[in-house]
Amino acid sequence: DQQVKQNSPSLSVQEGRISILNCDYTNSMFDYFLWYKKYPAEGPTFLISISSIKDKNEDGRFTVFLNKSAKHLSLHIVPSQPGDSAVYFCAASGHTGNQFYFGTGTSLTVIP
Amino acid sequence: EPEVTQTPSHQVTQMGQEVILRCVPISNHLYFYWYRQILGQKVEFLVSFYNNEISEKSEIFDDQFSVERPDGSNFTLKIRSTKLEDSAMYFCASSPITSGGTDTQYFGPGTRLTVL
Repeated sequence: DQQVKQNSPSLSVQEGRISILNCDYTNSMFDYFLWYKKYPAEGPTFLISISSIKDKNEDGRFTVFLNKSAKHLSLHIVPSQPGDSAVYFCAASGHTGNQFYFGTGTSLTVIP
Repeated sequence: EPEVTQTPSHQVTQMGQEVILRCVPISNHLYFYWYRQILGQKVEFLVSFYNNEISEKSEIFDDQFSVERPDGSNFTLKIRSTKLEDSAMYFCASSPITSGGTDTQYFGPGTRLTVL
């Protein structure tokens, strides 16, 4: 069961432009969402989170938007930098448990 | 900055053998997790552990798997009799507190398990 979906397996963006990574979920009980970044041969690294009581959270160049009615969240990176090139995972969890459900990831390439 | 560490980085084993994957969570964290990622697929939750017992497990975590916190620092995942389909990257994670999944989990670098 694919409760969290990232429909774009890859994305290429020019340096300095905005990167938009998308994530959809099906479980309306999810109330906490995170984005992780993963480099090859490393574990996922926490990037930014948002709880369902908010619709936007910003941290430097990274902003996460949550649209609960559409069960959709997105990560905006602006301006994109070559060091942002990595696989980005969306993850979600519900208030009844502590397990995270991950999407399949989107591989972002920022072209210098 | 404290981090989660895992050993070994790569484990090769024969089918049917037992393997133990080791993790050292961040020292003041209370919740511990194992995830796996089969090559090309999504990261999947296996188990969470709190207060010396399993608090949640997925259907992947069957009787072949067990977890243990043998001392104050290590957290281990044992696979009793490995199968080919156990080949994956195994990630350990820890979080300081959790109240129904509202806490960030910090991941280790992973152990790549190859079952031949």
